[in-house]
Amino acid sequence: EVQLLESGGGLVQPGGSLRLSCAASGFTFSNFGMSWVRQAPGKGLDWVSTISTAGNSFYADSVTGRFTISRDDSKNTVSLLLSSVRADDTAVYYCAMSTQADVWGQGTTVTVSS
Amino acid sequence: DVVLTQSPLSLPVTLGQPASISCKSSQSLVHSDGNTYLNWFQQRPGQSPRRLIYRVSNRDSGVPDRFSGSGSATDFTLKITRVEAEDVGVYYCMQGTQWPRTFGQGTKVEIK
Repeated sequence: EVQLLESGGGLVQPGGSLRLSCAASGFTFSNFGMSWVRQAPGKGLDWVSTISTAGNSFYADSVTGRFTISRDDSKNTVSLLLSSVRADDTAVYYCAMSTQADVWGQGTTVTVSS
Repeated sequence: DVVLTQSPLSLPVTLGQPASISCKSSQSLVHSDGNTYLNWFQQRPGQSPRRLIYRVSNRDSGVPDRFSGSGSATDFTLKITRVEAEDVGVYYCMQGTQWPRTFGQGTKVEIK
């Protein structure tokens, strides 16, 4: 069974940084791209970033230059470094398997506030 | 960027009756590899999203056959033949053809 377990969320001040991680199991991690999708309180789904199997990364315009996605195939993990965070980055951040979001984790909450 | 427009945004349905959600794309979602990467997701209250349909019309494992997807190029539809209580939630379409990926606004399905 595919499982995705996000961690690293919490309270961060505007302009600060935070690293989110997603531990994957139940599938051959190195064979799949991985994605992050977020959901602001009471809002819809917002794609954030994807990293391919080759390590190519793609970002939404709203996070380009501030967020960095990475993967470690030896540890079956994908990470998202949030930098220069703003209030509108407040959201539940979901890790999803593949570039088509086949399976989702339970999410980790990021709150940007002073 | 590809804009996906869902309608309706709110859908009250009687139990046992059909439901239909439209998703219209601002651009063709046919990829250069010939596939059309249009996916549908369900988000029940308090839960993570779950994919129901991939590549327009393919049901994910464990998805009841009362859910079906159809469409082509820019016009897509998710249908539920007979709505059950467990189908309450918000439904999103998402295009996986172009970067950046984009979602529709979501359609809230509720029981009348």
